[in-house]
Amino acid sequence: DQQVKQNSPSLSVQEGRISILNCDYTNSMFDYFLWYKKYPAEGPTFLISISSIKDKNEDGRFTVFLNKSAKHLSLHIVPSQPGDSAVYFCAASEGTTSGSRLTFGEGTQLTVNP
Amino acid sequence: ETGVTQSPTHLIKTRGQQVTLRCSSQSGHNTVSWYQQALGQGPQFIFQYYREEENGRGNFPPRFSGLQFPNYSSELNVNALELDDSALYLCASSLRGRPTDTFGSGTRLTVV
Repeated sequence: DQQVKQNSPSLSVQEGRISILNCDYTNSMFDYFLWYKKYPAEGPTFLISISSIKDKNEDGRFTVFLNKSAKHLSLHIVPSQPGDSAVYFCAASEGTTSGSRLTFGEGTQLTVNP
Repeated sequence: ETGVTQSPTHLIKTRGQQVTLRCSSQSGHNTVSWYQQALGQGPQFIFQYYREEENGRGNFPPRFSGLQFPNYSSELNVNALELDDSALYLCASSLRGRPTDTFGSGTRLTVV
């Protein structure tokens, strides 16, 4: 039972354009959502997060949108840069009082072409 | 501020053997989680340790076990290795109550 799904295994965009990565979840108990970026031979690096009480969070070029009714979130990167090329994982957690226990999606390989 | 360090980086074991992977958590972090990332998949939660006790477990059999030490470092032990255990094993540390994990670079385990 895949509770967090990233339906696009790969995405290719031109430098300077917008990258939109999508993620769907099924567990209504998830209340905190995160995006991680992963380069080869490195561990995932935290990028941006959003609590279920919000519908948008922005940090520089990165914006995460949450649509709770659709159980959908997306990560927007504007403008995209070649250095953004990596695998992006969507993750969700169910409460924070017990510490983190992240459920990850399968990942989307983003390639930003110069 | 030191990050999460894992050792070894790569390991090859034979089916049926046992393996121990090690993790040093980020300074100040008191919670350690272990994840298994199979090829082409996202990381899957194995278990979490807080105050040297298991604090949640994913869908992994008992032959996956762990320890957390007073200095918050941790070990992951896998007994009776199977071919499907071949994966990248990631350790992550966090401060209890904060869901943002800091990940190590992982240990690549190959079972032959």
